[in-house]
Formats: sequence, C-alpha cells, structure tokens
Amino acid sequence: SQWGEENLQALSIQEGEDVTMNCSYKTYTTVVHWYRQDSGRGPALIILIRSNEREKRSGRLRATLDTSSQSSSLSITAAQCEDTAVYFCATRTNAYKVIFGKGTHLHVLP
Amino acid sequence: EAGVTQSPRYAVLQEGQAVSFWCDPISGHDTLYWYQQPRDQGPQLLVYFRDEAVIDNSQLPSDRFSAVRPKGTNSTLKIQSAKQGDTATYLCASSLLGGFAEQFFGPGTRLTVL
Repeated sequence: SQWGEENLQALSIQEGEDVTMNCSYKTYTTVVHWYRQDSGRGPALIILIRSNEREKRSGRLRATLDTSSQSSSLSITAAQCEDTAVYFCATRTNAYKVIFGKGTHLHVLP
Repeated sequence: EAGVTQSPRYAVLQEGQAVSFWCDPISGHDTLYWYQQPRDQGPQLLVYFRDEAVIDNSQLPSDRFSAVRPKGTNSTLKIQSAKQGDTATYLCASSLLGGFAEQFFGPGTRLTVL
C-alpha cells in the first residue's frame, strides 16, 4: 500500500461539530482528490486540491495539502447528519489512474 | 443526464461459478474503468479502456478475470470460476476525454462468493 496513517477508521461526532480527516501518501502526485461514498452507492468526488494549492474550500468543506510531508486533510464545518458517509482521499499516479486510500467512516449523530 | 448504470446490483454464487457484470457509462464518455472494492477498503483499479482499447489491464487479479468494451460504449467484466476471495463490490466509472478528468462512478455490483 502507498498509504501511511490513513487506515480505515470510524469517527462518530455530534451534529454541529467540526471534524477533520487526515491522510498521507507515499507516491508523488500532482493532485489529491477527496471522495465520499454513501451506502450502496459509488464514490463521488467532493473536492480536489492540486499540488500548487495549500487550501481549497467548497461550502462547508475545506481541504489542505502539504506536499512536503505528503499529507492532506479534509475538514467539515458544522457537520450534519447527511454528512454521514465514508470519505476517501485519493491520488493520481498518471492521467488515468486514481489510487484510493482505505477511507474513514464518519457517523454524524443527531 | 443519466449517470453510470450497472447490473446486476447483487450477485451470490458458489465457488467455481462464472459471473458477468455489465456497465453502461455516461453517454459520450470515452474512458471507462472497472474497480474492485473489498469490504471496508477503498476501490482498487482493475482495468481501464479508452474507447474500445484496453489501456491497462495489469491489475486484473488473474486470468480468471476478463473485460471487454467492443464498441467503445458498454462494457462487461467477467469472472470465471469465482473464488471466495473475489467477494467485493465491483464498480464501473467513466470519464470524458480521460486525462485528469473527473471519474463518475456507478452504484456497483455487490458480489458474494460462498
């Protein structure tokens, strides 16, 4: 595996709390994707951050990228129950090949 | 616009049986991908096509797995003589013009091999 600290893990938080998920990668990449996967569905891209960006925001989502430490994070502000899903970070080793980490199960409790 | 569709959604078979999965990508998408997603893991790329040509099938687990996309549209992934270790969800994705374009995933086929 090319993944470091990001093993499959589960996080449970209360609605309204903020949460941050981290991942590290071993292979050079020019972009880090963050996907969410709802139960019974395929992954969907939610935010993409390129190697020349340190931070990217989309609504309540914030992604960071540190190329020197080869790590990325995804933060969700004021989590809602509908944010419950599995979140993956992924890198691209070439124009076509997306390499996924193992994911984080996030449970947002009402 | 319709998304990526896959069928069947579920399959249960005994070891040694064969199974085929079918994928209909988003219309106009020239690149199609098949992924295997074991339980509690991220998707792992098996094979991908640009139009009808296989670009990379080096990650297919064995010669028991095969994939085709004869007209550059729909695709079929087949497992011959399935093993318990093949139990996973099989995802199809497509993208427009390949490259660094976003991949759109179908809902997957959940396979259980008993």
